[in-house]
Amino acid sequence: DTAVSQTPKYLVTQMGNDKSIKCEQNLGHDTMYWYKQDSKKFLKIMFSYNNKELIINETVPNRFSPKSPDKAHLNLHINSLELGDSAVYFCASSQGERQGRSGEQFFGPGTRLTVL
Amino acid sequence: AQKITQTQPGMFVQEKEAVTLDCTYDTSDPSYGLFWYKQPSSGEMIFLIYQGSYDQQNATEGRYSLNFQKARKSANLVISASQLGDSAMYFCAMRRGSQGAQKLVFGQGTRLTINP
Repeated sequence: DTAVSQTPKYLVTQMGNDKSIKCEQNLGHDTMYWYKQDSKKFLKIMFSYNNKELIINETVPNRFSPKSPDKAHLNLHINSLELGDSAVYFCASSQGERQGRSGEQFFGPGTRLTVL
Repeated sequence: AQKITQTQPGMFVQEKEAVTLDCTYDTSDPSYGLFWYKQPSSGEMIFLIYQGSYDQQNATEGRYSLNFQKARKSANLVISASQLGDSAMYFCAMRRGSQGAQKLVFGQGTRLTINP
């Protein structure tokens, strides 16, 4: 029933570890995104994929590697975690703008990552 | 630079009153979309309303309306008859990019508190 789901919801880990966040959407959308929300609530795009192809990479450190095995999934792997990576990571999906449709992005519930 | 500005970090409003949340944007794109999202304390991002740059009429969705003034580059959200459940962070966002390579650029957000 859930449109965009993410796992895990909470992730607490030590500096230097590697971790992954998974995202799945059942809306049939072509495009998926990762956003980062920092401690001041500012939201910024990290990546977007369209039909499994990387389209947007917003100068994110290469410790962050997204992977899209199919249109419905977009995972985020983070190597060598740093304190500054602590944030809420949101996955989103959209169908893109169509005539008469806004192409709004549907967001997952977010994953709160805490790096100690 | 493409930018979204929300000048009100916080707003306090009495229940049942109407409230206007300000949003100004800066873009040189002829075609763009403007969105408002609500983020309650539970953390999820909820799409509220959309305005396309070529739309002639202001968008409305139930108690939400968007006061779109294109010449002033403003897209203020109006919530009528506010309710306690409207207390949340509100984000204005602009869609940038071409089909398949679009992203949302967010404002800093406004924290709205509805007092009983």
